[in-house]
Amino acid sequence: GENVEQHPSTLSVQEGDSAVIKCTYSDSASNYFPWYKQELGKRPQLIIDIRSNVGEKKDQRIAVTLNKTAKHFSLHITETQPEDSAVYFCAASIGGSNYKLTFGKGTLLTVNP
Amino acid sequence: GAVVSQHPSWVICKSGTSVKIECRSLDFQATTMFWYRQFPKQSLMLMATSNEGSKATYEQGVEKDKFLINHASLTLSTLTVTSAHPEDSSFYICSADGLATDTDTQYFGPGTRLTVL
Repeated sequence: GENVEQHPSTLSVQEGDSAVIKCTYSDSASNYFPWYKQELGKRPQLIIDIRSNVGEKKDQRIAVTLNKTAKHFSLHITETQPEDSAVYFCAASIGGSNYKLTFGKGTLLTVNP
Repeated sequence: GAVVSQHPSWVICKSGTSVKIECRSLDFQATTMFWYRQFPKQSLMLMATSNEGSKATYEQGVEKDKFLINHASLTLSTLTVTSAHPEDSSFYICSADGLATDTDTQYFGPGTRLTVL
């Protein structure tokens, strides 16, 4: 089955700096890669996703890049703010309804004011 | 749009009792619902995939007789933890995707914190 590795497990940055979280996946059939943000005790919230037919997607301060050949994808957050502090999870799926997500272990991002 | 609710948000029960958790898609029809378990400071672990009108598909290592899943309608799935024990204490989260939403995307419920005494 699919295996998703996520690094780093913790990341501390100063407000205004950029943060990068990286994930690798094992199943070359995977073609859908969402990123979720989870605050303590709350539900995971989808913040951005990318499909395998594109290499990069951007939404304001958040961007995701995908390298299908190397089977890795990354989340980039620019101009970080304290409210960006949370646990971020990457995931991979072969896509389509019914298909399960395999999650990485998560990255605890702390943005220091 | 694409709102998923869960009930209850938290529950405390005695060892040996059963607990039912409901997951509802409020503004869309969910053809598929997923049930996850999350321990503190850990990732989401998929327990089972539930399709409306059919039996759930359980992940390896998840006891189907202990974690009963029913997906009776396109807006409701339930997870019943039978004969709960302290080791079943966890955060249980459901997610749903479906007909009117962007295919692939799973929308998560707020979770249910179960504490078994």
